[in-house]
Amino acid sequence: DTEVTQTPKHLVMGMTNKKSLKCEQHMGHRAMYWYKQKAKKPPELMFVYSYEKLSINESVPSRFSPECPNSSLLNLHLHALQPEDSALYLCASSLQGGGGKVEQFFGPGTRLTVL
Amino acid sequence: AQSVTQLGSHVSVSEGALVLLRCNYSSSVPPYLFWYVQYPNQGLQLLLKYTSAATLVKGINGFEAEFKKSETSFHLTKPSAHMSDAAEYFCAALTGGFKTIFGAGTRLFVKA
Repeated sequence: DTEVTQTPKHLVMGMTNKKSLKCEQHMGHRAMYWYKQKAKKPPELMFVYSYEKLSINESVPSRFSPECPNSSLLNLHLHALQPEDSALYLCASSLQGGGGKVEQFFGPGTRLTVL
Repeated sequence: AQSVTQLGSHVSVSEGALVLLRCNYSSSVPPYLFWYVQYPNQGLQLLLKYTSAATLVKGINGFEAEFKKSETSFHLTKPSAHMSDAAEYFCAALTGGFKTIFGAGTRLFVKA
């Protein structure tokens, strides 16, 4: 299994809703990432988990709350979002352990629309 | 601070023509370098990577890139463009840790 899966594919939510994005990989990768991508822009790093511990939080607003329940799963909990949070949310994973295997594998993304 | 610069936000080629997408990095230490491709409403797919093993790197779909330390460049090429190559291409660099730095992207258009 060499893929990262994300659910849902599309999500529309109001500003008062609570929703969650889910990401899963079974490649034995120990680093997992959340990115936000606006149209015609590169991905922007939000969070990094390494061995299920939060390693990087790029000053993301608290209305985004990540969670890493185990080494295969990564969630992003959403609450009280703003319309400007509408974007493609990408999950990625990478192997930690040297040997030059540092590339990230990306999921297909969740297209989020906040009304 | 490390940065990645992609020259040209848009590149247009005819089908069958050479594809050349330019990427320069700024880093005192040669980083790991990557090219990713992104089709509309999809995630990023790795085309190829440089990890210091060889300066000419071959990737998927006929793409290759050459690492030139003296020019701090990692340009992506393909001898003959195909309609299916039309997509957004991102050059990226990683010098350590987890933070990959992405270029702004280059949209490739392929004309029939």
